[in-house]
Amino acid sequence: AQSVAQPEDQVNVAEGNPLTVKCTYSVSGNPYLFWYVQYPNRGLQFLLKYITGDNLVKGSYGFEAEFNKSQTSFHLKKPSALVSDSALYFCAVRDAGLDTDKLIFGTGTRLQVFP
Amino acid sequence: NAGVMQNPRHLVRRRGQEARLRCSPMKGHSHVYWYRQLPEEGLKFMVYLQKENIIDESGMPKERFSAEFPKEGPSILRIQQVVRGDSAAYFCASSPSGASNQPQHFGDGTRLSIL
Repeated sequence: AQSVAQPEDQVNVAEGNPLTVKCTYSVSGNPYLFWYVQYPNRGLQFLLKYITGDNLVKGSYGFEAEFNKSQTSFHLKKPSALVSDSALYFCAVRDAGLDTDKLIFGTGTRLQVFP
Repeated sequence: NAGVMQNPRHLVRRRGQEARLRCSPMKGHSHVYWYRQLPEEGLKFMVYLQKENIIDESGMPKERFSAEFPKEGPSILRIQQVVRGDSAAYFCASSPSGASNQPQHFGDGTRLSIL
């Protein structure tokens, strides 16, 4: 069965410091991986995706993520955090081997960036 | 606004009533997905539809819940005889036709409260 784990409920980081939000996944086929961000009372906004190719993918707002097949991980990173990055972050996977486009989400990680 | 449109944004129902949630996908998108988010949890897949067809309903409760995406008009998620446990945020997402590696774009959700 497909699954996504985000082991940290909350990540705290000082403004200007690098941040990492962790994600690991499990699928039977090849993974399509996504990161989304959610602000209060809003829907999810797409940040970036990994489909194939370079393991390091760059996305919106200076975020990037590294696909690691051997560790089945897709951690979200940013070199210098902003207070405005404070939000709820979700990792999601789609199993390319299945005949459905549904996304499986992690439980989310709340990022708090302190001034 | 060319994004995914959901209405109403907030819906209050008494136990036993019916709830109808509407979703208009982004222009040019013919795939629609419904997800449910309970407080402090991630999104759980409910159903995946294309125009006039249900593709994957593996996340739909067996009773009281139904979804449609007619040839004309928005997609509808219908909950009959609502109970307190149906209180949640319901999100709709859409994606282009035949592009399973493309991100899903989310609406701002309908927050359903059951009295």
